[in-house]
Amino acid sequence: DSGVTQTPKHLITATGQRVTLRCSPRSGDLSVYWYQQSLDQGLQFLIQYYNGEERAKGNILERFSAQQFPDLHSELNLSSLELGDSALYFCASSAGTNYEQYFGPGTRLTVT
Amino acid sequence: EDQVTQSPEALRLQEGESSSLNCSYTVSGLRGLFWYRQDPGKGPEFLFTLYSAGEEKEKERLKATLTKKESFLHITAPKPEDSATYLCAVHSTRGTGNQFYFGTGTSLTVIP
Repeated sequence: DSGVTQTPKHLITATGQRVTLRCSPRSGDLSVYWYQQSLDQGLQFLIQYYNGEERAKGNILERFSAQQFPDLHSELNLSSLELGDSALYFCASSAGTNYEQYFGPGTRLTVT
Repeated sequence: EDQVTQSPEALRLQEGESSSLNCSYTVSGLRGLFWYRQDPGKGPEFLFTLYSAGEEKEKERLKATLTKKESFLHITAPKPEDSATYLCAVHSTRGTGNQFYFGTGTSLTVIP
């Protein structure tokens, strides 16, 4: 158990809908990262927050957004969902920016 | 273009048969290279961080090394429980800030 929690574990929704994924980092970690893992592309970095502020952006679509709250938990919002958004979404946390990342168990999103 | 390439894609070993996994990278501004282990349906589990060429880290049957262009994960006398996908990731910095790139992994199967 990494200490990072993610909810929900599974999510099934229809195209065009909006969903919110939630992540709680390890105790004491200030950085939160979001990744998308699909079968054909591996892990893709989406976005990083550090102590409530956006620190880095990867290949995140404009339909996706994230935020980190004062209690350091984070939410990833996915809107106007498409079939291709079906994937595993992982959250990770670290003490700072250049430290090892600890991953949560992931949320499996299925868009039908 | 920054990228991380892992080889081989898949590796089958007899129990006790040592081998090495390769991770080659082309990134600007390398800040760190990370190795993770991922079991099916689970989040990646942190193994090692390497920061500079010549650095080595060991943990049980695993040893990670780093050169200026690649990293190796050496597995000595593997056991069936070492079967997993091993992921390499790099943290780089360039004009747009932090970026995190993952390879597509090496799927290791250790046969009793």
